[in-house]
Amino acid sequence: AQTVTQSQPEMSVQEAETVTLSCTYDTSESNYYLFWYKQPPSRQMILVIRQEAYKQQNATENRFSVNFQKAAKSFSLKISDSQLGDTAMYFCASDSGNTPLVFGKGTRLSVIA
Amino acid sequence: DGGITQSPKYLFRKEGQNVTLSCEQNLNHDAMYWYRQDPGQGLRLIYYSQIVNDFQKGDIAEGYSVSREKKESFPLTVTSAQKNPTAFYLCASSSTINSGNTIYFGEGSWLTVV
Repeated sequence: AQTVTQSQPEMSVQEAETVTLSCTYDTSESNYYLFWYKQPPSRQMILVIRQEAYKQQNATENRFSVNFQKAAKSFSLKISDSQLGDTAMYFCASDSGNTPLVFGKGTRLSVIA
Repeated sequence: DGGITQSPKYLFRKEGQNVTLSCEQNLNHDAMYWYRQDPGQGLRLIYYSQIVNDFQKGDIAEGYSVSREKKESFPLTVTSAQKNPTAFYLCASSSTINSGNTIYFGEGSWLTVV
């Protein structure tokens, strides 16, 4: 069974600074995908970034990038130049084979002006 | 607009009553899902369906039931057997259940038992 662990229930960052959210996972599959979703106060789930496990290069989407350490089963999210609109719950998730996404418990990020 | 529509957004239920949450998608997706969200618990899978007329239990299926009679519809019934139904419910879909497909979410439904 897959598991996803987010060890930081809450974090805060000053506007324009950089913050890193941690995520570890466990899976017995050889090929899998990892995701970060953002849930703002509106509760709409928004895909931030995804990573294919067989790709060595870390995924990047504008101010969002990941540090994927396959051997350590670690998948952290770095947000650069934090903006007030980045305030949200962030969920790490993984899927593999023919099973639905498994989510971590989330990290609540507050961006402070 | 293409997307996933959940209704109602807010629902109040008396103890002992069944209630059905609607989920409709026009993305032509084969796979659909129901997740439950509680504070501090993340999203937990209730049921999922890979194709019409087929569905499987997720991690917390007890007290819930679903049907998948049409490709675009995947309603969730919260039965009186569900001991703690107050939560936020999210419906989602993807083109198939195969790994790597992006999952799209509806806006969610709040259920409160009074």
